[in-house]
Amino acid sequence: AQSVTQLGSHVSVSEGALVLLRCNYSSSVPPYLFWYVQYPNQGLQLLLKYTSAATLVKGINGFEAEFKKSETSFHLTKPSAHMSDAAEYFCAVSWDNNNDMRFGAGTRLTVKP
Amino acid sequence: DTGVSQNPRHKITKRGQNVTFRCDPISEHNRLYWYRQTLGQGPEFLTYFQNEAQLEKSRLLSDRFSAERPKGSFSTLEIQRTEQGDSAMYLCASSLGTKGYTFGSGTRLTVV
Repeated sequence: AQSVTQLGSHVSVSEGALVLLRCNYSSSVPPYLFWYVQYPNQGLQLLLKYTSAATLVKGINGFEAEFKKSETSFHLTKPSAHMSDAAEYFCAVSWDNNNDMRFGAGTRLTVKP
Repeated sequence: DTGVSQNPRHKITKRGQNVTFRCDPISEHNRLYWYRQTLGQGPEFLTYFQNEAQLEKSRLLSDRFSAERPKGSFSTLEIQRTEQGDSAMYLCASSLGTKGYTFGSGTRLTVV
């Protein structure tokens, strides 16, 4: 069965600092991996996805994530945090690129001025 | 294209009442998904449709829950005899082929 674990329910960084949000997956088959962002009272917005092409995936808003099979990880990074990045971030896994996507519990990112 | 639309945005109901939510997906999307999200958790898969066919249902979808997509366009999710544990955000998403989901803003249900 596919699942994801997000390490750290809350992450706080200063504006301009590196953002690192951790995600580890378990999957019996090569996975498709996603990162979504959710702003208060809104639905989820796709940041980026890995579909077995390049292991370093670039997404919107300056975010990127690297698929590391040996570590079963798909951590999300951004070199310099902006205040507007404050939101909830969810990692998700699917085995066929769309169906029955399984989400992690989420990481709330706070950006301090 | 106005994205995925969900109505109502908020619903407060008394325990034991029935509620129905509606989701209008992006018009050309053939797949439609329902998820439930409780406070502090990620979305949990409930069910999904390809066109009008309901192809998968989670064990979370008890017999009090039913979803339909009669013409392969909009979908409804009905909860009968609501319980306080049903209080959550109900999210709808749609997709076309292998592209990522587009989520609606959700319907927040509060059962009192």
